Amino acid sequence: GENVEQHPSTLSVQEGDSAVIKCTYSDSASNYFPWYKQELGKRPQLIIDIRSNVGEKKDQRIAVTLNKTAKHFSLHITETQPEDSAVYFCAASMDSNYQLIWGAGTKLIIKP
Amino acid sequence: DSGVTQTPKHLITATGQRVTLRCSPRSGDLSVYWYQQSLDQGLQFLIQYYNGEERAKGNILERFSAQQFPDLHSELNLSSLELGDSALYFCASSVGPGGSYEQYFGPGTRLTVT
Repeated sequence: GENVEQHPSTLSVQEGDSAVIKCTYSDSASNYFPWYKQELGKRPQLIIDIRSNVGEKKDQRIAVTLNKTAKHFSLHITETQPEDSAVYFCAASMDSNYQLIWGAGTKLIIKP
Repeated sequence: DSGVTQTPKHLITATGQRVTLRCSPRSGDLSVYWYQQSLDQGLQFLIQYYNGEERAKGNILERFSAQQFPDLHSELNLSSLELGDSALYFCASSVGPGGSYEQYFGPGTRLTVT
């Protein structure tokens, strides 16, 4: 079955710098790749997603890139702010079951 | 507010007991997912229901069971509770096959087993 690996497990960056979180997946049939943000004590919320027919998607300071050949996708956050501190989860899914296979999460710490 | 509701918000119980967690999906969503999140851990997928039928099973223990009712609300039953079952239990919903993949999460039920 599908397996998603996420790195790093913890990422500490200076406020204003960029942060990049990477995920790899194993099943080439996966065609949907979302990123969720979970603030402390709160529910995970979708922040951006990408489908396999697109290589990059941007939403203000957040972007996701997908490399289907290498089977990896990345979350890029530019001009990081204190409110970006959270745990970020990547996931992968395919049309056959709509089940999300989750990465282990990355704790992003923004240093003032 | 995601539109997904979960009750109760907090639950404290003793080892060996049985509890039921309840979830109401967003209006129009047919799929319900249950997740377990232990302290500082990731999201462990437990089980998925679609329109009343079990669709996928994850790392769900035999002591745990779930169901989705005709009105689409879902219940997760946890029995013979152990200390290690203490966790945050999330329910999520989505439209399901043919619709959006996006899962909307409820606020969670924090279970403490003492």
